[in-house]
Amino acid sequence: GQQVMQIPQYQHVQEGEDFTTYCNSSTTLSNIQWYKQRPGGHPVFLIQLVKSGEVKKQKRLTFQFGEAKKNSSLHITATQTTDVGTYFCAGPLGGYALNFGKGTSLLVTP
Amino acid sequence: GAGVSQSPSNKVTEKGKDVELRCDPISGHTALYWYRQSLGQGLEFLIYFQGNSAPDKSGLPSDRFSAERTGGSVSTLTIQRTQQEDSAVYLCASSLDRGSGGSTSTDTQYFGPGTRLTVL
Repeated sequence: GQQVMQIPQYQHVQEGEDFTTYCNSSTTLSNIQWYKQRPGGHPVFLIQLVKSGEVKKQKRLTFQFGEAKKNSSLHITATQTTDVGTYFCAGPLGGYALNFGKGTSLLVTP
Repeated sequence: GAGVSQSPSNKVTEKGKDVELRCDPISGHTALYWYRQSLGQGLEFLIYFQGNSAPDKSGLPSDRFSAERTGGSVSTLTIQRTQQEDSAVYLCASSLDRGSGGSTSTDTQYFGPGTRLTVL
């Protein structure tokens, strides 16, 4: 079945450093979504990418969808302590629910 | 407006007991999903409801798990004869419509705060 893998599993950065998490799917995706889960919280939708090669920005966050629509990345520029949390990518599972990666946990120290 | 709500927020039970977890989706959302998140893990799909269609139960891990959705709104996830490996956070999500189907985009899913289940 479809597998969505994320690396790294954990990342610890100093405030102000950049951060990138990568997502790879074993199959071509019609779209990919990114969610953020703060410690003790629930996943919150960040963005959805649909087009091959698409790049979207949200302030310091840059999301990319690969040309083959099998991989994606999330890059945070100049991290802040508010960026702490786990970032999940997810692809459609048979078009209904989402198949989530295991996430990348980001820790930012001041 | 009100988001997805779940109850109880925490549930501690003894092995072998049955538990019921409740989810109230966002008003007007026709699609409802249940996921399970074990400690330090990603989200595991359990079951999906869309309107009056038969639910997609393909993610349920065993026949001890069942779910229903009454009146197209509130949903209850029932776990019978709980086992220690059932301990996890159970998350409910709802979306305005179904998934992508034949289109390329998927409706955004809005998650509830989850129910933390501990089986002793």
